[in-house]
Amino acid sequence: AQSVTQPDIHITVSEGASLELRCNYSYGATPYLFWYVQSPGQGLQLLLKYFSGDTLVQGIKGFEAEFKRSQSSFNLRKPSVHWSDAAEYFCAVGAGGIQGAQKLVFGQGTRLTINP
Amino acid sequence: ETGVTQTPRHLVMGMTNKKSLKCEQHLGHNAMYWYKQSAKKPLELMFVYNFKEQTENNSVPSRFSPECPNSSHLFLHLHTLQPEDSALYLCASSQSGTGYEKLFFGSGTQLSVL
Repeated sequence: AQSVTQPDIHITVSEGASLELRCNYSYGATPYLFWYVQSPGQGLQLLLKYFSGDTLVQGIKGFEAEFKRSQSSFNLRKPSVHWSDAAEYFCAVGAGGIQGAQKLVFGQGTRLTINP
Repeated sequence: ETGVTQTPRHLVMGMTNKKSLKCEQHLGHNAMYWYKQSAKKPLELMFVYNFKEQTENNSVPSRFSPECPNSSHLFLHLHTLQPEDSALYLCASSQSGTGYEKLFFGSGTQLSVL
């Protein structure tokens, strides 16, 4: 069965520092991978996705992620974080379509705190 | 504003109450979803509706009863809940297709069962 592991429950970085959030997945075929962000009191918003092709994908808000098949990883990065990036970040893998809809398996999430 | 509206934002109910959560999307999507978000646990997919037909019930207890009268509205009827059902319930929608379309989430209903 598909699964997603986000090893870091909570990360704190200083404003302006670089960021990397880790994500490892388990899936037998070529995965469809996603990163979503959840700000306090809000629903989830898609940051970026990987389906195929270039393994380095660009997303919104200056985020990027790199798919590494050999490591079963899809880590999220940002060169310089802003205070507004404080949120919860979720990695997800596609687990099959459901007659045109979709099924995603999410990781546990990583809470990002930004120090001023 | 994502185009997916959930009401109420907060709900407190006793174990013997009956209540309903409502979700409405204004995006013209055909697929709608209920997710449960508990503290320190991954998001759990509960139900999926595609063109008003339920296509997924992820082993959810019968005390949760979904209803999808049309492609724009989704309800979650609650009865005789347990304290462990306290969580954030998120609704999402997407455009049906052959691949993975972007999910649009509402802000959720924070449910507390006493």
